[in-house]
Amino acid sequence: GPKVLQIPSHQIIDMGQMVTLNCDPVSNHLYFYWYKQILGQQMEFLVNFYNGKVMEKSKLFKDQFSVERPDGSYFTLKIQPTALEDSAVYFCASSSGLGESETLYFGSGTRLTVL
Amino acid sequence: GDSVTQTEGQVTVSESKSLIINCTYSATSIGYPNLFWYVRYPGEGLQLLLKVITAGQKGSSRGFEATYNKEATSFHLQKASVQESDSAVYYCALSETGGNNKLTFGQGTVLSVIP
Repeated sequence: GPKVLQIPSHQIIDMGQMVTLNCDPVSNHLYFYWYKQILGQQMEFLVNFYNGKVMEKSKLFKDQFSVERPDGSYFTLKIQPTALEDSAVYFCASSSGLGESETLYFGSGTRLTVL
Repeated sequence: GDSVTQTEGQVTVSESKSLIINCTYSATSIGYPNLFWYVRYPGEGLQLLLKVITAGQKGSSRGFEATYNKEATSFHLQKASVQESDSAVYYCALSETGGNNKLTFGQGTVLSVIP
C-alpha cells in the first residue's frame, strides 16, 4: 500500500539547537500532518498543511515550530530552538483530500531525543 | 475538547481465542464524530484498520469488527479468533465531521497473542 517515509527513525540533539524532521509523503497527496507522542501518552495532533499553508494547529504547536514543503519535496517540521519537553516521537501523515472518505497514511515516526 | 479512552493498556490472548478491546469517546461537536481503529505492527507506521462514520453501523476488516454505539458512546473492537500475526498496538480515534481530518487518539492497547 501507499507509504509515508520518515528518515531517520531516531535523532538526538542538544537542547537549544535546531532540528528538522523530514517526511516523504505519499506521492500525489496534497494534505500533510504532524502528530506528537510523548512516551506513555497519547498521540496528539500538532498541525495540518495544504497548498503551502498551515490550515489548523493545536496548542502544542509552539512558536518554535514551523512546517513547510518546499518545491513539493519533503514535508518538514523544524524546531528552533529545541527544548527538553520536545523529546517525543513525531509522526507524519498525508492524505489525498479532506473528509470522511479520506484515509490518513502515517509514517513509522521519528524519535527525537533532546539532551 | 474531544477525548478517547481505551481502558486496557495491554491485553494478552491465546491464539484462536476471542478478543475485545474497549473504546469510549466524548465529542464536543453537535453532530456525531467519525470513529476509527488504527493498528501499528512492529516496525511499521500506523495504518487504518477500519472506520465507521454513521452511528449504529458496524465496520469490519481482517476479521475485526466494531460497532458505532452512540447511546453508550462506545466503539469496541472485537475479533472472534485471534492469530499470532494480530500482535500489534491498536488505537481508537475520532474526528469531527467536516473537520480538517484532525484525529483524537486513545492511549493505545498493546495486544500480545500467545501461540
